[in-house]
Amino acid sequence: NAGVTQTPKFQVLKTGQSMTLQCAQDMNHEYMSWYRQDPGMGLRLIHYSVGAGITDQGEVPNGYNVSRSTTEDFPLRLLSAAPSQTSVYFCASSKRQDPGSGNTIYFGEGSWLTVV
Amino acid sequence: KQEVTQIPAALSVPEGENLVLNCSFTDSAIYNLQWFRQDPGKGLTSLLLIQSSQREQTSGRLNASLDKSSGRSTLYIAASQPGDSATYLCAVNGGSYIPTFGRGTSLIVHP
Repeated sequence: NAGVTQTPKFQVLKTGQSMTLQCAQDMNHEYMSWYRQDPGMGLRLIHYSVGAGITDQGEVPNGYNVSRSTTEDFPLRLLSAAPSQTSVYFCASSKRQDPGSGNTIYFGEGSWLTVV
Repeated sequence: KQEVTQIPAALSVPEGENLVLNCSFTDSAIYNLQWFRQDPGKGLTSLLLIQSSQREQTSGRLNASLDKSSGRSTLYIAASQPGDSATYLCAVNGGSYIPTFGRGTSLIVHP
């Protein structure tokens, strides 16, 4: 099983450029999310989705857009890259969290982004 | 707002030691708690998931406990090995689809 697949793994952007980080999962998970991980800051939630057609903002959404047109895909768009967006980005997915229960969260391998 | 703290931030131990990693959270109204491992340059891999109704979970040399009333979880690693070297993170799920992560404990097990 592929699990959660992120592309690209490494990317260098110039300030002001735009790009899309791709995320796909093949487990039919309802919940998908994007995090960024920075030294000393831990994981911070950017955007998340609880199903196709539904997205919402996380802790640090500024400068990023998302869409969820299918259950499988959840791309993250950087609109106008800034050096402050240099980070490692992780996509995650899980099955719907029913009250009183929980499901394992699966992460992609990460995308290393440098903005110069 | 849920806050998750992991202590210590870093730990270095000789091979063979039994060790305990700690995770504390401020809001005890949780659905579950999950422990992850992260190797350098890699994503997070789930180790153990404890539901709110459970007290502990075991997988091989790993044992995770949960005490909701005190807002604490511990990850016990028995007979540590150099291959256990990694960062260990805990995540608390309060039922809002948004887990709260701790910042992790960086573990080095030296031969």
